[in-house]
Amino acid sequence: AQKVTQAQTEISVVEKEDVTLDCVYETRDTTYYLFWYKQPPSGELVFLIRRNSFDEQNEISGRYSWNFQKSTSSFNFTITASQVVDSAVYFCALRNPRDSYGGSQGNLIFGKGTKLSVKP
Amino acid sequence: DGGITQSPKYLFRKEGQNVTLSCEQNLNHDAMYWYRQDPGQGLRLIYYSQIVNDFQKGDIAEGYSVSREKKESFPLTVTSAQKNPTAFYLCASAGTGVETQYFGPGTRLLVL
Repeated sequence: AQKVTQAQTEISVVEKEDVTLDCVYETRDTTYYLFWYKQPPSGELVFLIRRNSFDEQNEISGRYSWNFQKSTSSFNFTITASQVVDSAVYFCALRNPRDSYGGSQGNLIFGKGTKLSVKP
Repeated sequence: DGGITQSPKYLFRKEGQNVTLSCEQNLNHDAMYWYRQDPGQGLRLIYYSQIVNDFQKGDIAEGYSVSREKKESFPLTVTSAQKNPTAFYLCASAGTGVETQYFGPGTRLLVL
């Protein structure tokens, strides 16, 4: 079974604090893809990053960084020096390259999201 | 500007009424998806289409129907058979292969 768990339902921090959002996934496939999306109060999901299972290199993009560890099936997301504009719900998602019908395009399996509130 | 548009932003449904949510993309993407989001929940897949004139049921297709007559358009109809339609509906599209899904701004459906 494929599953994504975001154990932190809500996190509240004060501006400039660092915060890490946890994501643990389950899959039997050796090839898979992991994603993070941001959902601000407006509702639209904004793509942040995609990582494939063969690339365990950590990635940094400005104040955002991602730590992918296959040994623990985790793909955690850290925001450094958080800002009020980072307040949103963050979703982690898993995708396999083939769907249950054997098609060439798998579908996303989402965690339930972590609501981050950054207070001034 | 390339992107995904959804309309309307808010939609009100009366009991026993069918309503249709629009999703249009000009990204030249082959695949399109419909998701439902309930408060405090992740997204759940309703229907998806990998190519024109073909679509597949997702995890929660009951009470919904779709069509894919054009590459750019993937409308979702919420039928009267869907007894709990109040939710936030998100449309997404993706290119061929294992491509990233990009999302529209969503439609919030409320029952009167």
